[in-house]
Amino acid sequence: GAGVSQTPSNKVTEKGKYVELRCDPISGHTALYWYRQSLGQGPEFLIYFQGTGAADDSGLPNDRFFAVRPEGSVSTLKIQRTERGDSAVYLCASSKGLAGGLTDTQYFGPGTRLTVL
Amino acid sequence: AQSVSQHNHHVILSEAASLELGCNYSYGGTVNLFWYVQYPGQHLQLLLKYFSGDPLVKGIKGFEAEFIKSKFSFNLRKPSVQWSDTAEYFCAVNAADRDDKIIFGKGTRLHILP
Repeated sequence: GAGVSQTPSNKVTEKGKYVELRCDPISGHTALYWYRQSLGQGPEFLIYFQGTGAADDSGLPNDRFFAVRPEGSVSTLKIQRTERGDSAVYLCASSKGLAGGLTDTQYFGPGTRLTVL
Repeated sequence: AQSVSQHNHHVILSEAASLELGCNYSYGGTVNLFWYVQYPGQHLQLLLKYFSGDPLVKGIKGFEAEFIKSKFSFNLRKPSVQWSDTAEYFCAVNAADRDDKIIFGKGTRLHILP
């Protein structure tokens, strides 16, 4: 596609529920990133994929958060047993994945606004 | 670990005024520096970046930023702002010598009065 797409654009869920957030990167981009942006803050790094593998998952806050990218394209961020503190905008970005992938120009999607009641 | 500080959370200017948004980072090694912008209702997008070479970097829409290593700063400037520059601006840094993740500042919300 022309840009990074994310679905759903909004997700409202109840505390304790499981959610999946999807990211469809720019075609041909091998690197994919997930960020979380809370109100009044900048994007906070969660995880970075190079191809199918998670090259850096040091930003995942705890084991309730998990992300996959099984075919090296679409990625799903999964949050188990959601808590009110998980409410934020979850951003996805992709880049060409050249050497030094983390410094490639990243193209961001519109984000998914997650609200946990 | 590196961190980024943006001094101004909210800036209001009139059209044609000059702009300077402050950004300081903390990291003793080699850095890559970025400014991202988010216009109302739009995605976050790259405004400009510094990797190496000339410390004065020119970006899109007449913006520029200067890397001053001795001050750990990467301030964003524009000589004459327009109403369409109303947006939120994020400074970001990553440790180039470790190819580490990008760390964003909290952002500066810029409002230009017509």
